[in-house]
Amino acid sequence: RKEVEQDPGPFNVPEGATVAFNCTYSNSASQSFFWYRQDCRKEPKLLMSVYSSGNEDGRFTAQLNRASQYISLLIRDSKLSDSATYLCVVNIGGGYNKLIFGAGTRLAVHP
Amino acid sequence: DAGVIQSPRHEVTEMGQEVTLRCKPISGHNSLFWYRQTMMRGLELLIYFNNNVPIDDSGMPEDRFSAKMPNASFSTLKIQPSEPRDSAVYFCASSLSLPGTVGYTFGSGTRLTVV
Repeated sequence: RKEVEQDPGPFNVPEGATVAFNCTYSNSASQSFFWYRQDCRKEPKLLMSVYSSGNEDGRFTAQLNRASQYISLLIRDSKLSDSATYLCVVNIGGGYNKLIFGAGTRLAVHP
Repeated sequence: DAGVIQSPRHEVTEMGQEVTLRCKPISGHNSLFWYRQTMMRGLELLIYFNNNVPIDDSGMPEDRFSAKMPNASFSTLKIQPSEPRDSAVYFCASSLSLPGTVGYTFGSGTRLTVV
């Protein structure tokens, strides 16, 4: 079983749609969680951290369920510029900030 | 802040040749990570250093791969001899290894093609 699992997609949605991505992780000792965004042929970039209480950044909302070892990302009012691959990322701790990346979910927003 | 700098951006080499990838982390960051990304396997952590010391190299696929960090501002990943299945994008990332650190900063990657 992979340490971080995501639906690879692609999710094809029209502009203005709301789309949700899910992710599960296997290591119950995982300490912190993130969503990264990766554009085609570019490096991954931090989108947002994920906190237990849930957190929002503009049109983006992230949720964490530690009991179920489940992370989600909700994007409201999708824009064409949101088209990218979204990577679910888990810090498995150990003192060295070691991040494990999911394979990513591809999002394509069309006019 | 110049960010994480990797070189070269692209490398095409023949099977059997030695390849050296280079990385300059962000000044002040004390952790450095080498990842490999392919369509089939996604982002795989190869090795990481803390304060220039290799901490975990369990992700290094074979003895053909080696990595060094001689000082806080430079690291290399070497493949010798290279094989076509090593073709991938190799990313270097750096971070501060402190509680509450929010993720890594990645370099732009080196796209390696072994023919």
